Amino acid sequence: GQNIDQPTEMTATEGAIVQINCTYQTSGFNGLFWYQQHAGEAPTFLSYNVLDGLEEKGRFSSFLSRSKGYSYLLLKELQMKDSASYLCAGADSNYQLIWGAGTKLIIKP
Amino acid sequence: ETGVTQTPRHLVMGMTNKKSLKCEQHLGHNAMYWYKQSAKKPLELMFVYNFKEQTENNSVPSRFSPECPNSSHLFLHLHTLQPEDSALYLCASSQDYGLAGGTGELFFGEGSRLTVL
Repeated sequence: GQNIDQPTEMTATEGAIVQINCTYQTSGFNGLFWYQQHAGEAPTFLSYNVLDGLEEKGRFSSFLSRSKGYSYLLLKELQMKDSASYLCAGADSNYQLIWGAGTKLIIKP
Repeated sequence: ETGVTQTPRHLVMGMTNKKSLKCEQHLGHNAMYWYKQSAKKPLELMFVYNFKEQTENNSVPSRFSPECPNSSHLFLHLHTLQPEDSALYLCASSQDYGLAGGTGELFFGEGSRLTVL
């Protein structure tokens, strides 16, 4: 079956670094997405990886290892506004997105 | 207006009511989606429309009925719902269905919070 696993909740301190992991099992693979969703708001696109390696975009970076079925989202210099849920989604051979349940990130001062 | 707009933002209905959710996208996209989001569960894809044609219907009960009159508007008609249908219903759009022509980034509306009594 197809599955995405990510931690339910994480806590980190303002100014620190946090890594949110995601493991995936999909029928075929056409890339891995990360979305951010603040409480009561729409999910917004953060990143897309289809090749192995790290992609950096400001304070946020996303990593993919296709051989391990593994990705992570790295958030640096955490700010209070980074408190949100982070959704991992893998695209299968039919380009259907398989979603994880999301990781709620709590930032403490 | 820009982006994806959903109305109403909140809806409370009884099990015998009939109501509709509306979604409008101002991005010129060709594909539109309905997702169901329940607490601590993955997003569930309900319906996909590509160029106004329904391409996916993921075993959704018939009490949910989608309508796509044009590529900018999407409706979800609701009737005789059950309490377990209470959830956040998210509309999304993308340039094309799947990853054709781009990264397949989805643009979401803020959702319609539905409570079925």
